[in-house]
Formats: sequence, C-alpha cells, structure tokens
Amino acid sequence: ETGVTQSPTHLIKTRGQQVTLRCSSQSGHNTVSWYQQALGQGPQFIFQYYREEENGRGNFPPRFSGLQFPNYSSELNVNALELDDSALYLCASSAGTGYEQYFGPGTRLTVT
Amino acid sequence: RKEVEQDPGPFNVPEGATVAFNCTYSNSASQSFFWYRQDCRKEPKLLMSVYSSGNEDGRFTAQLNRASQYISLLIRDSKLSDSATYLCVVNMALADSWGKLQFGAGTQVVVTP
Repeated sequence: ETGVTQSPTHLIKTRGQQVTLRCSSQSGHNTVSWYQQALGQGPQFIFQYYREEENGRGNFPPRFSGLQFPNYSSELNVNALELDDSALYLCASSAGTGYEQYFGPGTRLTVT
Repeated sequence: RKEVEQDPGPFNVPEGATVAFNCTYSNSASQSFFWYRQDCRKEPKLLMSVYSSGNEDGRFTAQLNRASQYISLLIRDSKLSDSATYLCVVNMALADSWGKLQFGAGTQVVVTP
C-alpha cells in the first residue's frame, strides 16, 4: 500500500453538476498531482500542487480547479460536468516535483 | 506525434518466457523515466525507475537509450502474475524545473500457462 487515499471511491453525477474529489498524500510527501484516466488510455496530467501552490497544469479547462492544504492533502473540483468527464481520477503524491509518484486507488466518476 | 508512445500489444507470452518492449519519447530534455504497472481497473503502481546506465530488479531489466530516445523493459521468466498493462512514464522537465510526468497509453502483457 502506498498510503495515498482518495475519496469517494465511486461517484455518479449528472451533467452540469459540480464535484469535489479528495486525496490524502503519503506521510512526508509535499507534492500532489492529479490525473484523469479514460478507459483504455494512460493517465492524463491535470495539475500538480507543491507546498499549497499550483505548480503546473495540463491541457484541461479552467472548470478543473484544485487546492492543497497545509497538511498537503488536496482537492480536485470540477464544475459544469460534461459526459466526457466520466473517467478514473487518480491522485499521486511524491516527495517533490519530478520524483517517483505513488498513486491512490482513484475515484471513478460517472457523469450521466 | 504523441509525447510518449508505446506499442499497445497485447504481448501474449508463455509462462517462463522472456518478453521485451519499448517506449519512445519526443522531448530530448526529459530527465527521468519510470515504468509503472497497472492491473485492470486499479491504480498504477511504480515498478521501477530507469537510470542512465540501465538497471535490474529481479526478473525486470530497464534500459535507457538517450540518443534514440527510447526506454525498454524486459521481463524474464514470466509469471502469470506479470499479466498487466505496463505504463512508460517520462518526466518532461521544463524550463522552470518542475516535473510533469507524461504517461504512455500502456503495453498490455498477457502471460499464458
């Protein structure tokens, strides 16, 4: 086990709604990265938080936003959900940027 | 062109055999490289980092070829439990030095009895 936890494990939302996903990083890790993984694809980088600041962002629209808290846990917020947002959302923690990342079990989001 | 490309497979491998596959990356400035394995509907798990001189971890050997911009993974004496999707991961280090991990779409390996 990596010590990275995510909640909830599964979520069903309807189009247009908003969702918040949560991630607790491994002890001693100050960096959290979020990924979206569609079926049959590799994880796609959404953004990374390092010491409570956004430290890089992938090709995702502004309706994907996040936070990192002083204890280095993190949230991913998605507004105005679209059907294509249905995916496995993974968070990964690391001891710094560019280091090995350890993934949580993911949140499977279904948008109907 | 994708930043990280992998042969999707599947590679069907008899138990006990050796299998090897590559991954190519487009950014010559990439600084670190990893292999992850992912089981169906589970999270990726770090298999090994890939070092410039190549490295081995038990039955797994990883190689890096910077000149040709590819990394490889070789699995010897394949076990049924090696059946998984293997994700090639490249740290696309940028000018401001933060690290963005870029994942390939994965290579599926199926080990058969």
